[in-house]
Amino acid sequence: DAGITQSPRHKVTETGTPVTLRCHQTENHRYMYWYRQDPGHGLRLIHYSYGVKDTDKGEVSDGYSVSRSKTEDFLLTLESATSSQTSVYFCAISKGTPSDQETQYFGPGTRLLVL
Amino acid sequence: DAKTTQPPSMDCAEGRAANLPCNHSTISGNEYVYWYRQIHSQGPQYIIHGLKNNETNEMASLIITEDRKSSTLILPHATLRDTAVYYCIVKGSGANNLFFGTGTRLTVIP
Repeated sequence: DAGITQSPRHKVTETGTPVTLRCHQTENHRYMYWYRQDPGHGLRLIHYSYGVKDTDKGEVSDGYSVSRSKTEDFLLTLESATSSQTSVYFCAISKGTPSDQETQYFGPGTRLLVL
Repeated sequence: DAKTTQPPSMDCAEGRAANLPCNHSTISGNEYVYWYRQIHSQGPQYIIHGLKNNETNEMASLIITEDRKSSTLILPHATLRDTAVYYCIVKGSGANNLFFGTGTRLTVIP
């Protein structure tokens, strides 16, 4: 398995509070991604990073921000959590070489419940 | 990226081959077919991918039709641990997103 960890693995928080999820990799891969998974929607891309300090939005980026100050860490922040952000969050990594064959490897996920 | 169509669910007897179909009739020439699976509550797991030739690895085989409009993932000897949701994904150049869709829920029956 790819060396990807996510923390925390489970979190319960209240509406309006800030939340930060961390993804850590030991593979030195260039690309990192944050997805959310909800029933009936599959996985949807929130944000991704193509290098340190280089990030871009995915299809469901509203309400989320990200930061990548080191190759190995990609942080996802919910500035003011809402109940609609209750979900399972997955981090993924890929090598990022300019190729159509990029394979993404996923972390174990973080279950977030916003009350 | 081209979208895919998969049956919502399938059953397979333990020890038999599981053949999971996927239609991707709008696939373009530079798009690859990827297969992932997700076992309950875990992160998606990469299985295999291909462009136009059939591919095989330690987990599965991927058969892509000559016109590339459909493919089949084959698990040669399904075990109970293969029970999962299987996703067929088409991805091309310039796309960072893997569009997972709803996949096929495979249940391996003892």
